[in-house]
Amino acid sequence: DAMVIQNPRYQVTQFGKPVTLSCSQTLNHNVMYWYQQKSSQAPKLLFHYYDKDFNNEADTPDNFQSRRPNTSFCFLDIRSPGLGDAAMYLCATSRDGSRETQYFGPGTRLLVL
Amino acid sequence: DAKTTQPPSMDCAEGRAANLPCNHSTISGNEYVYWYRQIHSQGPQYIIHGLKNNETNEMASLIITEDRKSSTLILPHATLRDTAVYYCIVSAYNTNAGKSTFGDGTTLTVKP
Repeated sequence: DAMVIQNPRYQVTQFGKPVTLSCSQTLNHNVMYWYQQKSSQAPKLLFHYYDKDFNNEADTPDNFQSRRPNTSFCFLDIRSPGLGDAAMYLCATSRDGSRETQYFGPGTRLLVL
Repeated sequence: DAKTTQPPSMDCAEGRAANLPCNHSTISGNEYVYWYRQIHSQGPQYIIHGLKNNETNEMASLIITEDRKSSTLILPHATLRDTAVYYCIVSAYNTNAGKSTFGDGTTLTVKP
């Protein structure tokens, strides 16, 4: 089945140690999104790629970066994780613009020690 | 994108219809209404969307008022597995790329 895959499901990192979360999709969608979801809160969009075009949300900290080497893969890099960055990170895709349905992966839960 | 307002929580008896309201009084003419749900510790799941006509699929029905300022998601026969946070989103079309802003959602608890 076509799907959005996130690995790992759980990631533990140390304060200040760079960490990379990965997302892959078999849907061949143009758009890939990264959301941050803290406990008991709604998902918050960090940034998205439309094909190779990167679109950062205005309030996304510089500590968060992203790479999309090809259509199928997208990475979230946290350069210096702080305790406040502990959250669920959700990857989603859509075929085209925001009128399109978004398909979410299961998420990666990040713990910062 | 227009802001949405949803009640923070609702209960529903198993087997009964669950009616989840959403206010989006500032919706624009080109904005669609989307509903997603998120079961605990999983990624959000698409349920249904619409522009101005009522919509139905195998999961739910969506009723949009004529002025488009509010909508209701209907789960016709709620089961315990429908317990989740339900998000109503209005999303505008962007030719470059799109985004959906999640509101606070409604926590639906289906009780036996």
